[in-house]
Amino acid sequence: DARVTQTPRHKVTEMGQEVTMRCQPILGHNTVFWYRQTMMQGLELLAYFRNRAPLDDSGMPKDRFSAEMPDATLATLKIQPSEPRDSAVYFCASGSAGRTGELFFGEGSRLTVL
Amino acid sequence: GDSVTQMEGPVTLSEEAFLTINCTYTATGYPSLFWYVQYPGEGLQLLLKATKADDKGSNKGFEATYRKETTSFHLEKGSVQVSDSAVYFCALFYNQGGKLIFGQGTELSVKP
Repeated sequence: DARVTQTPRHKVTEMGQEVTMRCQPILGHNTVFWYRQTMMQGLELLAYFRNRAPLDDSGMPKDRFSAEMPDATLATLKIQPSEPRDSAVYFCASGSAGRTGELFFGEGSRLTVL
Repeated sequence: GDSVTQMEGPVTLSEEAFLTINCTYTATGYPSLFWYVQYPGEGLQLLLKATKADDKGSNKGFEATYRKETTSFHLEKGSVQVSDSAVYFCALFYNQGGKLIFGQGTELSVKP
C-alpha cells in the first residue's frame, strides 16, 4: 500500500535548535509539497518541487527555513534556528503531474518548540 | 489573487441529517476543484474532485457540483454518519501554477 512517509511523527525541541523533517514521497510521484498547519492560519503552503526542482518557496520564511530534495526518494524541511512560533504540524504531500491536484499526504510531523 | 472561502465551523449534526458545507472560490482562470477530508490525527485525503464547470464529483455518498456562475463547489451528503466527523477542506488547483490552494477547513461533528 503506497503512502507518503514522514519522520519524525513528533518532535519537541528548545528554541534555537535545528530541526530537520524528512519525507519519503510515493514511488513514481514527481511533485512534492510541504504544508504547515496551525489552528490560527490553517494550511499554508511552504514549498513545492517538481522533478526535484524547487518551483515555489514563497510561503517559507527564508531566513530560517530551507527545503531540499537530495534525491527522488527524499525531501527535507529544515528549520534553523527554531522558534516557538514554528510549532505546528508539518505535512508532506506527493503527487503526479499527470493527475493534477490529487495529492497524497503523509501523517504529518508535529513540532513543538519550547 | 486566487482564494477559497469555506463556511465556518464547527458544524454539529445528528446522525442521518443532511449536510451542506459551503465553498466559494476566487480565480482568474479555470481551476480544478477538490474536497479533501482530514480525520483526527491523520493527513488529508482526497474525497472528490471536479475538473470543469457543471462536473459533479462524488465519493462515499458525498457530492459537489462545480458551479462556474456562482463560483461555488458546495459539499453535500444526504445522511451523515458518526464516522464522517472530520475536517473538510475545499481546494482549487491550476495545472499551470501547479499548486493546491486550500480553504481554511470546516470541522464537522456528527452526534449519534
